[in-house]
Amino acid sequence: AQKITQTQPGMFVQEKEAVTLDCTYDTSDPSYGLFWYKQPSSGEMIFLIYQGSYDQQNATEGRYSLNFQKARKSANLVISASQLGDSAMYFCAMREAPRQGGSEKLVFGKGTKLTVNP
Amino acid sequence: EPEVTQTPSHQVTQMGQEVILRCVPISNHLYFYWYRQILGQKVEFLVSFYNNEISEKSEIFDDQFSVERPDGSNFTLKIRSTKLEDSAMYFCASTARPYEQYFGPGTRLTVT
Repeated sequence: AQKITQTQPGMFVQEKEAVTLDCTYDTSDPSYGLFWYKQPSSGEMIFLIYQGSYDQQNATEGRYSLNFQKARKSANLVISASQLGDSAMYFCAMREAPRQGGSEKLVFGKGTKLTVNP
Repeated sequence: EPEVTQTPSHQVTQMGQEVILRCVPISNHLYFYWYRQILGQKVEFLVSFYNNEISEKSEIFDDQFSVERPDGSNFTLKIRSTKLEDSAMYFCASTARPYEQYFGPGTRLTVT
C-alpha cells in the first residue's frame, strides 16, 4: 500500500496566484513527520517545510504553508504568490517513528510537477 | 549555511565496474542516509547509517552495495559490480534532529 499519495501528476498556476499541492499519507503510528521537498530541473532536493504529528499549528515558511488535516491524513502544500522560479517537481515525504532496529528514513510520494505560467 | 556535499556530480561507468559515490554530511549530524531516484520516478530509501553501522537497509540494498564512513567526514556508497538498472540519481542525506533531513545535490550515475 502506498504510504504517501500525491494524486496530481501535474499542476499549472498563473504567476502571483496561490496553488495547493495535495498529499495524503497512511500510517498507524501516532508519532510521525511530514516533509515537502522541491526538485528543480537541476536535480537537487531542496527542503521546504516540516510538520510534526503533534504540532498544534500548521507549519509556515515564507510563501510556503502546510495545510495539515490530521483526521483526514492530509498534508497539502500551499504556495502563495507563485513565482516563475517555483516551477519544479514537488515531493511529499513522511518519517515514521523507527521500529526496533530501524531508522527515521523518509518515504516519498511520486511527486507533482508544478508549472508556473507568466 | 552548512550543506551536504556529494562528489562526483556525474559518473559514467561500464556495466560490471565498481563505483564509489562520496558524500560529506553536515559536520554535527549523526544520522546518514543514501537514497536513489531512477529518472522520472520517486525517491527511494537505500540505507541508513548511525554510530558507524547500518541501522536499516531496503530490499534494493543487496550484497552489491556497501557503505562506509572511513574518516570523520566522508560517507561513501560503493556499488561493486554495476548493472544497467543502477543508473539513477543517488542522494546522500544527513540529520541531527528528526524534523530536519538535508539532502546533498546528488550524483547522477550512468551505467552503459
